[in-house]
This record gives sequence, C-alpha cells and structure tokens, in this order.
Amino acid sequence: ELKVEQNPLFLSMQEGKNYTIYCNYSTTSDRLYWYRQDPGKSLESLFVLLSNGAVKQEGRLMASLDTKARLSTLHITAAVHDLSATYFCAARNSYSGAGSYQLTFGKGTKLSVIP
Amino acid sequence: GAVVSQHPSWVICKSGTSVKIECRSLDFQATTMFWYRQFPKQSLMLMATSNEGSKATYEQGVEKDKFLINHASLTLSTLTVTSAHPEDSSFYICSARTAPWYNEQFFGPGTRLTVL
Repeated sequence: ELKVEQNPLFLSMQEGKNYTIYCNYSTTSDRLYWYRQDPGKSLESLFVLLSNGAVKQEGRLMASLDTKARLSTLHITAAVHDLSATYFCAARNSYSGAGSYQLTFGKGTKLSVIP
Repeated sequence: GAVVSQHPSWVICKSGTSVKIECRSLDFQATTMFWYRQFPKQSLMLMATSNEGSKATYEQGVEKDKFLINHASLTLSTLTVTSAHPEDSSFYICSARTAPWYNEQFFGPGTRLTVL
C-alpha cells in the first residue's frame, strides 16, 4: 500500500525567507504531484514530476524528485503573502489492474506567510 | 482545456434525504473519474474510482449502498449520497482523466455538502 508523508504539516514563515516542504512515499511510484489548495477551493495543479532527478520551477516554487530516496521537495524562495495556502503532494501508484494509477495524498502543509 | 465542472457547488439538505452531485468533463472524454472526500483541515481521501460503462470500485470503508456512483457517459459521473446524515457533511471533489497512463487528473471545483 502506497503511503505518503508530508512535513511539516504547518509552516509559518516570514516574507522573504526560504523554506522546503518534504514529501516521502513508501513504495514505488511513477509520478509525483504537487497541488495548492486555497480555503474553500479545490486543488490547483502545480507540478508533475515524472522521473528521477526531475526539477521543475514556477515563480518562487521549485519541486524536485529523488525516486531512489522516494522523496520529493517543494522549495519556496523569498516567500510572499500570496503563497499562503495548503500544499499537498500526491504519489501515483504504478501497478496495473484495479486501483491502478490512483493518487495517494499526503496530509498537506498549511503555509502561512507573515509580512 | 481540461476543465472539470461540478454541480452543485454547495448544497444543504435535511438528514435522511438524498443528494446527487454531478461531475462533468467539459472539453475531453474521461474514461475514469475519481471521487474524493475532504473533511475540514484534512487531506483528500479517495472514495471510489469509476470507469465509464462499468461499476465503480470503492475504497475500503466506503459504503457502496450509501454513496452511489454512476458513470454513464464519457463526460458525466454522478455521486448520490443516500439517506444523508450530518456525518456525511464534507467537501466532495471529483477528478477526471483520459487514458489510464495519462499523467494528469483534472480536478473539479468541489461540492460542499452540509447535512442538517
């Protein structure tokens, strides 16, 4: 069974600072996703990471994937208030058959960026 | 492209009534749709996977008779919460994908269900 752990679950940071959110998964996964969720809203897709060593960047957010360590990171550079949201990582199971290609979500990291 | 809609966006109902939530893929054909439930300040939990034209596959602990899922066409899946109770109050989110190997699931905007 694929399990996904995120840490920290809560993150309060000052504007301008850098920080990293970590996402570990328990078994082989063929895709790793990062999503943003604002209060009362659904998920917004941020990144899809497909292979070992993949790195993607969009604005102040950069995501990376190490499949050997079963670890993905979401790095926040020079945080601004607009980045305040809950961030979820999700891993996709890669086996075929019933339940294939389902996503398992981490518990989410609630990020608060303080002026 | 790749837009998924849900209707209604929020619903309030009395305990014991049934509520139907629709999930539509607006600009693509979705061979598979997923239904998630999210309680306040918690993560998304997969409830079931539905493939067009076949019965849904429910996750362990999800009552099939309570959460009826129908995926009658390539653009529409419905979730019916039967005999709803206050503990069913939650945020229900659907997602859709095209082919099984496709990288992305596209998420709907969610439906907030409140059962009084």
